[in-house]
Amino acid sequence: TQLLEQSPQFLSIQEGENLTVYCNSSSVFSSLQWYRQEPGEGPVLLVTVVTGGEVKKLKRLTFQFGDARKDSSLHITAAQTGDTGLYLCASNQAGTALIFGKGTTLSVSS
Amino acid sequence: DTGVSQDPRHKITKRGQNVTFRCDPISEHNRLYWYRQTLGQGPEFLTYFQNEAQLEKSRLLSDRFSAERPKGSFSTLEIQRTEQGDSAMYLCASSVPGTEIYNEQFFGPGTRLTVL
Repeated sequence: TQLLEQSPQFLSIQEGENLTVYCNSSSVFSSLQWYRQEPGEGPVLLVTVVTGGEVKKLKRLTFQFGDARKDSSLHITAAQTGDTGLYLCASNQAGTALIFGKGTTLSVSS
Repeated sequence: DTGVSQDPRHKITKRGQNVTFRCDPISEHNRLYWYRQTLGQGPEFLTYFQNEAQLEKSRLLSDRFSAERPKGSFSTLEIQRTEQGDSAMYLCASSVPGTEIYNEQFFGPGTRLTVL
């Protein structure tokens, strides 16, 4: 079973700072998804990456997929309080269940 | 709102009672998934349906858990004889036909279960 390790587990920063969170596996991802989850709500899909070396941008969020498709990162530029939440990476298992990492809890204070 | 909906949003029950949760997926999504999430963890897969057929069940899904999707639309998840360890957020997700390679799943808001 593929395991996804996310780091750091917790991150507390001030508004305006930049940050990067990571998702790693010992296995190759067929595809990787990043979700953001707010307390008491379900995860919301941010992006899916499929191709090794791929970079996708979503406003201030930049997602990178490693060349070997074993790792991914999420970089947030000039964080805002609205970015606060749990960031989860998840791996596709051939059209069925997603395997999730434990997530990175981000707290952005003003 | 055409997203995934779940009912109830919160459920408090006493140990030993039975509970049932409902999930309404996005219209025309033929795949429906149930996950469980405990504090400090990511969601863990329980089971999934393609139309009305239950195609896969996790080992996490003990005999006290049963899920149905009788007409291939909404789904129910029942937990019998609840235990305190069942306390968790139960999440439902559905996926768009034709995107199995990407398997992009859209989640509902979840049902928070507390077993006293």
